[in-house]
Formats: sequence, structure tokens, C-alpha cells
Amino acid sequence: KAGVTQTPRYLIKTRGQQVTLSCSPISGHRSVSWYQQTPGQGLQFLFEYFSETQRNKGNFPGRFSGRQFSNSRSEMNVSTLELGDSALYLCASSLGLVSYNEQFFGPGTRLTVL
Amino acid sequence: AQSVTQPDIHITVSEGASLELRCNYSYGATPYLFWYVQSPGQGLQLLLKYFSGDTLVQGIKGFEAEFKRSQSSFNLRKPSVHWSDAAEYFCAVGTDKLIFGTGTRLQVFP
Repeated sequence: KAGVTQTPRYLIKTRGQQVTLSCSPISGHRSVSWYQQTPGQGLQFLFEYFSETQRNKGNFPGRFSGRQFSNSRSEMNVSTLELGDSALYLCASSLGLVSYNEQFFGPGTRLTVL
Repeated sequence: AQSVTQPDIHITVSEGASLELRCNYSYGATPYLFWYVQSPGQGLQLLLKYFSGDTLVQGIKGFEAEFKRSQSSFNLRKPSVHWSDAAEYFCAVGTDKLIFGTGTRLQVFP
């Protein structure tokens, strides 16, 4: 069974631009969560989608948004990029809602904002 | 508020030595607890998880962890470390999301 895939793996943008990251979960998984990983803040939860609905959201500004499609694939969008948005963005999928289901992580998308 | 503390930022051990990585959590109810490992440039891989039942949990790659409710701890152990275990280790508590600790970087000397 294929794992969680994320595209692109690396991305370089400049301040003020916007970016869209994509995540394909493991087949049959209905929950997709997104995390931001930085050296200073560690791993921080962005949001979780389950059956195309946002179920939970972390403490990030509205510039960060996401969506999930009927095939469970998910995208996250960051608008008006700031230098501090440079991070590794990790996507994770699980069969059901996050709290008691094992999450499987993708390799991440490394975003660099110049 | 829920939180996870990993007091050791960096640990160095010799290959073949035993290992214990500490994790303390703060959570009002019975927690779901996880240990993940991250190799450089990679995503996170689940080592083991505790939901309920036996407080000593066995995981992959020879790792185990013990849940101690009285101490709010979920320490990760391995009796004999291999050079390939060098990585960053994250403890997490599952609520309506995963809350991660800050991680412990493990370095293994031959």
C-alpha cells in the first residue's frame, strides 16, 4: 500500500507570494492533518480535515487555509508569504479522527521564503 | 492545557549502550501517547503507541515505552542502541490533535 505522498518536496518563494501544497493520503484514510515544523517552534498543528470538513484548527493566522476533496486528497494554501513561514510542512493521514487513530506522515514539503 | 515535555534536547550514547528518552505530559484525562522518530530529511515514523491496557508497550526496531500515570511519564527505552538509531525522537499526546514535545536528538558513537 502506498504511503502518504506530498508534492512538491521543495519549494522556494518570495515574500508576498502565495503557495499551495498537496497531500495524498493512504488509500482508505479519510482524515488528513497538516503540521508545520520549524527549529524554533517545533511541530505545530495547523488543521485536520475529515470527510471534506475541517474538524480542528490550530493557532495560525487566516493566511493559512486548507481543503479536502472527495477522494480525501488535501491541499493547504498560504497567502501573502512571510519569512517566518519557511518551514517543513508535514501531512499525516489516518483512518478516522486524529485523537485515537494512528497517523501516518508523509516526507514533507520544505518551503523556503526569500 | 495539554502539553508534552521532553527535557533532554540532545543525548549522546555509544553503540551497544542502553537508552532512555524521557517524556512527561500534562493532560486531564487518560491520554493517548505516541513516540515518533524522524531521520534527517524525512517525515515522522511511529515507533509505538499507548491507548490503554498494559503499561509496557512494545514497538518497532526494538523500542519499548512504559506509561506511568503517577508520574505523568511515557519514557522510551532500548536495551542496545545501533548506529542507525541516530535520529530525532518526538513524544506526542493525542487529544483532538497531536501535541508534540520539542524532540530529543540522539547521537550514536561507534
